[in-house]
Amino acid sequence: AQSVTQLGSHVSVSEGALVLLRCNYSSSVPPYLFWYVQYPNQGLQLLLKYTSAATLVKGINGFEAEFKKSETSFHLTKPSAHMSDAAEYFCAVSKASNTGKLIFGQGTTLQVKP
Amino acid sequence: DTEVTQTPKHLVMGMTNKKSLKCEQHMGHRAMYWYKQKAKKPPELMFVYSYEKLSINESVPSRFSPECPNSSLLNLHLHALQPEDSALYLCASSQDSGQAPYGYTFGSGTRLTVV
Repeated sequence: AQSVTQLGSHVSVSEGALVLLRCNYSSSVPPYLFWYVQYPNQGLQLLLKYTSAATLVKGINGFEAEFKKSETSFHLTKPSAHMSDAAEYFCAVSKASNTGKLIFGQGTTLQVKP
Repeated sequence: DTEVTQTPKHLVMGMTNKKSLKCEQHMGHRAMYWYKQKAKKPPELMFVYSYEKLSINESVPSRFSPECPNSSLLNLHLHALQPEDSALYLCASSQDSGQAPYGYTFGSGTRLTVV
């Protein structure tokens, strides 16, 4: 069965500091991996996705993530945090099947301090 | 048009009421989804429609009844809900349920409160 684990339900950084949100996956087959962001009272917005092409994936708003098969990880990073990055972040996995089902991690709340 | 539009944005209903949530997309996507999200939790899949046919029902209680009248529209009919059904209901679409790598486009959700 597939699953994702997000390490740290709450991450706090200072404005301008590095953002690192951790995601580890469990999958018996090569997965497709996603990071979504959710601002208060809004839906989820796709930040980036890994679909077995380049292992370093660049997304919107300056975020990127690196797929590391040996570590079964897909951590999200941003070199310099901005106040507007404060939100809930979800890592998700799906497999190459025809269900389209996404399995979400528990989420990480990112707080950015001035 | 690259959006999924959900109406209403907020809904308060009594336990004996019947109401419907609406979701619309004009991106030509052929898969549409209903998710339920409780506060501080990840979204939980409820239903998947693929080419206007229900393909997945995640053992959702019958008081929730989905409908897909055409490829652009998805409804969720609500009847005799319980207070614990209060949540954010999210609609999403994708090009095809078999094209999972492309990810979903989510709507902004309907905040449902059952009183």
